[in-house]
Amino acid sequence: NAGVTQTPKFQVLKTGQSMTLQCAQDMNHEYMSWYRQDPGMGLRLIHYSVGAGITDQGEVPNGYNVSRSTTEDFPLRLLSAAPSQTSVYFCASSYGGTPNYGYTFGSGTRLTVV
Amino acid sequence: AQSVAQPEDQVNVAEGNPLTVKCTYSVSGNPYLFWYVQYPNRGLQFLLKYITGDNLVKGSYGFEAEFNKSQTSFHLKKPSALVSDSALYFCAVRDRRNNNDMRFGAGTRLTVKP
Repeated sequence: NAGVTQTPKFQVLKTGQSMTLQCAQDMNHEYMSWYRQDPGMGLRLIHYSVGAGITDQGEVPNGYNVSRSTTEDFPLRLLSAAPSQTSVYFCASSYGGTPNYGYTFGSGTRLTVV
Repeated sequence: AQSVAQPEDQVNVAEGNPLTVKCTYSVSGNPYLFWYVQYPNRGLQFLLKYITGDNLVKGSYGFEAEFNKSQTSFHLKKPSALVSDSALYFCAVRDRRNNNDMRFGAGTRLTVKP
């Protein structure tokens, strides 16, 4: 089925560890983004990309890195995990170079940092 | 920066009754407005959007929303609620002058009782 695939679904990290959250889409969408969802705060944009080789920061980028070497993949890297990064992370993609066509979201990665 | 307010954390309605989920926004220019729905342990799903044109926008699953520029609102409505409509609903806004900064509200949990 076409869509956005996120792995892993669940992850527990120790403070200071690093890891990469994977995101892949097979819809040839140019626009991809990463959000974190925290109770009572909605979704906050971490990083986004308008096409391969182009990335930019969103509202809460500190502690996270991204790259976009292909149209399909947009991994999110946590460099040194902190308890404040405990959250549910969603990857989203959209047709074209902007989110105006409506996002397609992945099913999320629930991350706990202890 | 643009922002979204969803003034109700929780909305309860009886099945068959009309429902309204409220959203107000703040942007410097003209807005792009969206509604998304999230079912338990799932990613968000796109419901509808307002880009330009008619102020009444129709979307998926019988939902509609009305753009009111003077009141800076974009309330989600449905004439007859179903138990299966119970979910978390998010309003989102983007300023037309900023291509990639989409801001989400904190969400409203809708419960439809039989």
